Amino acid sequence: DTGVSQDPRHKITKRGQNVTFRCDPISEHNRLYWYRQTLGQGPEFLTYFQNEAQLEKSRLLSDRFSAERPKGSFSTLEIQRTEQGDSAMYLCASSLASGSSRETQYFGPGTRLLVL
Amino acid sequence: AQTVTQSQPEMSVQEAETVTLSCTYDTSESDYYLFWYKQPPSRQMILVIRQEAYKQQNATENRFSVNFQKAAKSFSLKISDSQLGDAAMYFCAYRLNNYGQNFVFGPGTRLSVLP
Repeated sequence: DTGVSQDPRHKITKRGQNVTFRCDPISEHNRLYWYRQTLGQGPEFLTYFQNEAQLEKSRLLSDRFSAERPKGSFSTLEIQRTEQGDSAMYLCASSLASGSSRETQYFGPGTRLLVL
Repeated sequence: AQTVTQSQPEMSVQEAETVTLSCTYDTSESDYYLFWYKQPPSRQMILVIRQEAYKQQNATENRFSVNFQKAAKSFSLKISDSQLGDAAMYFCAYRLNNYGQNFVFGPGTRLSVLP
């Protein structure tokens, strides 16, 4: 399977713990995005990378959140000192930069986080 | 700030019939893109159709077509000959044509297809 993959698919943690999610994009894609989706809502943009550079961050991305893409391939999203409000589906998407609407974001299956 | 509104939380359609999902958006920009994404239950989100704001012609992809009304900031999705596999959450999304690549998604419409 050459699509976007995310690991783990589900994560249950206690409030105050740190969690880390991984996203592996489609291999030739140079852009990678993180979104958060809460129940009954559409995805909300968190951040995006072009290669290893983090080019844009949403105001939603508080100091407890950090994302990396060290070699321009896979990416990790870490949440420190988790809070119950962090419970959501975290979606990763990737695309091949083309500067037009032809650039399609391909989404992964998501990591569902539950903070108790 | 840009916003996307989908006023129909749920819709249903009889198999083989046609259904239209509504989407409106708010922006002061003139150069942007609009998308419809489909998210089947417990499955990945996939692109259904896209529209460039500078194009007057409505986009079509097989059974899927849009009605893009730029002045009214409206972007509805029409699904013809509905199939059971069309049942999903449908999200309308907006993206500016600039260096920023992030999408703004609407809250979604849950479509049920009745046999």
